[in-house]
Amino acid sequence: TQLLEQSPQFLSIQEGENLTVYCNSSSVFSSLQWYRQEPGEGPVLLVTVVTGGEVKKLKRLTFQFGDARKDSSLHITAAQPGDTGLYLCAGVGTQGGSEKLVFGKGTKLTVNP
Amino acid sequence: GAVVSQHPSRVICKSGTSVKIECRSLDFQATTMFWYRQFPKKSLMLMATSNEGSKATYEQGVEKDKFLINHASLTLSTLTVTSAHPEDSSFYICSGGRTFYGYTFGSGTRLTVV
Repeated sequence: TQLLEQSPQFLSIQEGENLTVYCNSSSVFSSLQWYRQEPGEGPVLLVTVVTGGEVKKLKRLTFQFGDARKDSSLHITAAQPGDTGLYLCAGVGTQGGSEKLVFGKGTKLTVNP
Repeated sequence: GAVVSQHPSRVICKSGTSVKIECRSLDFQATTMFWYRQFPKKSLMLMATSNEGSKATYEQGVEKDKFLINHASLTLSTLTVTSAHPEDSSFYICSGGRTFYGYTFGSGTRLTVV
């Protein structure tokens, strides 16, 4: 069974601070995705990283995929209250011959004004 | 593109009754859909993979007879929670599977069993 360990689980910071969320696994994934979820809503895809060592930027968010495709990180620069939400990493793997998404436990981010 | 519509968004039912949740792919055909369950402040746990025209594949520990899945067309999968009990109360989310735009999810259904 492929597992994803996401840390930290909870993060409360002040507006303007930087933060990094980590997603680690002992398994190799064909790609890794980051989602953001608001309360009472489904997760919304932020980015997909595919190539080992890949770095993608989405405004103040920087996503990195580890060289071995087992880990990833999300870095937010100068966090704003609008960044508050649940951030989920998900690995795309194969189990029983079928492609599946394996989710980390999520990071609940609160950015205080 | 790749929009998934889930209905209802909220449902309250009495213990012992059954509840059906619909997941529709609006602008694409989905031969495979996924059903997840999410507990408060927790991540998404895959319950089952819904396959169009064939039986669903359930994850270990998920009761097939409790959570009935039907995927009768390329745009609709349904999850029926049978004989619901308070412990079945949760947030259920479907996904339309992989598309050109990646995996897209429905907006979820909040089930409360009283």
